[in-house]
Amino acid sequence: DSGVTQTPKHLITATGQRVTLRCSPRSGDLSVYWYQQSLDQGLQFLIQYYNGEERAKGNILERFSAQQFPDLHSELNLSSLELGDSALYFCASSREITGTGDNYGYTFGSGTRLTVV
Amino acid sequence: AQTVTQSQPEMSVQEAETVTLSCTYDTSESDYYLFWYKQPPSRQMILVIRQEAYKQQNATENRFSVNFQKAAKSFSLKISDSQLGDAAMYFCAYEDDKIIFGKGTRLHILP
Repeated sequence: DSGVTQTPKHLITATGQRVTLRCSPRSGDLSVYWYQQSLDQGLQFLIQYYNGEERAKGNILERFSAQQFPDLHSELNLSSLELGDSALYFCASSREITGTGDNYGYTFGSGTRLTVV
Repeated sequence: AQTVTQSQPEMSVQEAETVTLSCTYDTSESDYYLFWYKQPPSRQMILVIRQEAYKQQNATENRFSVNFQKAAKSFSLKISDSQLGDAAMYFCAYEDDKIIFGKGTRLHILP
């Protein structure tokens, strides 16, 4: 168990629908990152939140949105789903210890497998 | 924009042998971090090793070591005494404010 919890693990939905993926970061981590991994592809950065505020944005579609709540959990909302949105969606977290030069990478959750049919 | 390139989509190595996975990256920054992540069939992303760009010394974690060439923007991963459990997808990654991943190298271990 990495300490980053993602729910649900699997999700099957129809085209045109909307889904919400949930992520609870590791205890003490303030930053949450969302990545999309399509079949046999690398991880594409979607968006980052730090302590409730959006901090960085990647190639995230307008149909996708995210937020981080006061308890630091995050949700990724995917709407008007298309077949091409089928992918593994990862959440990761980090402590973002700034000013010390320490950076130990991200801790990843086990992902949510989204299948759009 | 920062990019990470892994030129070997797949590699195979005999069990107990040594293998090196290549990675190059492009950045104009001088201070950053580099990582290798492993993704086994379970699809979990596991941090293998990290390197701080301002450190000349190559990072080592047990059987895993890196060859970091900052001027050449090269960051290869060497796995010694390969084991069956090392079979996975390996991603090279670069970070300044967010982590950018390469497309990965699938490593097969031959018994």
